[in-house]
Amino acid sequence: KQEVTQIPAALSVPEGENLVLNCSFTDSAIYNLQWFRQDPGKGLTSLLLIQSSQREQTSGRLNASLDKSSGRSTLYIAASQPGDSATYLCAGAGGTSYGKLTFGQGTILTVHP
Amino acid sequence: GAVVSQHPSWVICKSGTSVKIECRSLDFQATTMFWYRQFPKQSLMLMATSNEGSKATYEQGVEKDKFLINHASLTLSTLTVTSAHPEDSSFYICSARDATSGRALEYFGPGTRLTVT
Repeated sequence: KQEVTQIPAALSVPEGENLVLNCSFTDSAIYNLQWFRQDPGKGLTSLLLIQSSQREQTSGRLNASLDKSSGRSTLYIAASQPGDSATYLCAGAGGTSYGKLTFGQGTILTVHP
Repeated sequence: GAVVSQHPSWVICKSGTSVKIECRSLDFQATTMFWYRQFPKQSLMLMATSNEGSKATYEQGVEKDKFLINHASLTLSTLTVTSAHPEDSSFYICSARDATSGRALEYFGPGTRLTVT
């Protein structure tokens, strides 16, 4: 059974800092790994999706990497802004293209001015 | 882009009553939809997988008679919380899988906040 863990649980940084969020998974047979953002009381916004055959994906100030052999993914946020404050969730899709998503517990990010 | 809606966005009901939540894929067909619940400050937990035209598959520990799921069309799945109790109060999120996408992506709805008094 896939287990996804995110570290740290919470992170508070000053505006402008570069930061890294970590995600680890126990079953390396994932089909893809996604990073989501969730604002309080809201649904999920997909940020980046990395297929199992890929090593990283980039979108603007965000860069996500995937290392299946070590069971790890990182989300790098460059030049953080207060608007980046949210909960960030990673989720691994198991096995096949139709695998279910297993979510980590999330990292609560606060970027203060 | 692919959009998933949920209705209602929030609902308050009395203990013992039933509540229906709708999940719709607005601009694509979804043969599979998923229902998650999220307690405060916790992550999403998959409750069940809903397949169009067939019975839903429930995750271990989820009572199928309490959480009724109907996926009657390629764009609509409903979750009915029967005989709701305060412990059912939670944030319910659905997602829909775009069957035409080669990568079978899931698109998430905005969630429904259920409060049982």
